[in-house]
Amino acid sequence: GDSVTQMEGPVTLSEEAFLTINCTYTATGYPSLFWYVQYPGEGLQLLLKATKADDKGSNKGFEATYRKETTSFHLEKGSVQVSDSAVYFCALSPYLTGANSKLTFGKGITLSVRP
Amino acid sequence: KAGVTQTPRYLIKTRGQQVTLSCSPISGHRSVSWYQQTPGQGLQFLFEYFSETQRNKGNFPGRFSGRQFSNSRSEMNVSTLELGDSALYLCASSLTGHSNQPQHFGDGTRLSIL
Repeated sequence: GDSVTQMEGPVTLSEEAFLTINCTYTATGYPSLFWYVQYPGEGLQLLLKATKADDKGSNKGFEATYRKETTSFHLEKGSVQVSDSAVYFCALSPYLTGANSKLTFGKGITLSVRP
Repeated sequence: KAGVTQTPRYLIKTRGQQVTLSCSPISGHRSVSWYQQTPGQGLQFLFEYFSETQRNKGNFPGRFSGRQFSNSRSEMNVSTLELGDSALYLCASSLTGHSNQPQHFGDGTRLSIL
C-alpha cells in the first residue's frame, strides 16, 4: 500500500539557518503530495502542495519539488524563524479515477528554532 | 471565510461509553474526512463522506462510524469506548474530495478515555 517516510526528528536549528526535511513516498501511479504544519493545540494547516512530477510547491519561504525519479518531496527553507517551530507532516493522496481524498501521512517531525 | 469547525474541543469519557463528535466544513465543501491522531500511530484515515454517502473507509473497527447531513455537516460516533481510543480526532473538508485538492483541517476534538 501507499506509504510516506520522513526523516527522524526532532530537529533543532538556530534562527536564519537553512532547513531541509526529507520525505520519500511509495505509491502507484501519480499521487498528489502535500506538506502540512501543526502548531501546538491546533489542527493541520496546508503549507504547500504539488500534483505532478517536477511541480514545485512554495509558500511562506518554504519550497518542495515533486521528484518522480527519486519518489521524494523534500521540504526546504533558506532561513528559518522562531515562528516556524512546529510539527511538519509530509502526506500523499493517491490518484485514482474519480475522487479520492484519503491522505496517507508520514510520522511528522518536530522543528524547534532557537533565537 | 470560516474554517472547519469541530465541536467539542475536549471530551472526557469512561470505558464502555459512546461519544459523538461534530464537524462543520468550510462553506461549499462537500467532502468531509475524519482522521485519528495518536502519538504511537500518528495520523490515520478513518473515513470520508460525500453527498451523505461514505465513499472511503480506513482500517478501523465497526465501533467507529459516521454520517453526513444534507448541509455537508458530519458527525462521527465511537461506541463502546476503549482506552486506546484516546486521541485527537481531526476533521477535514475539501470541495469534492478529488485527490489533487488540499484538505482543510479543523482544530480537532481531543478525546480522553478514563
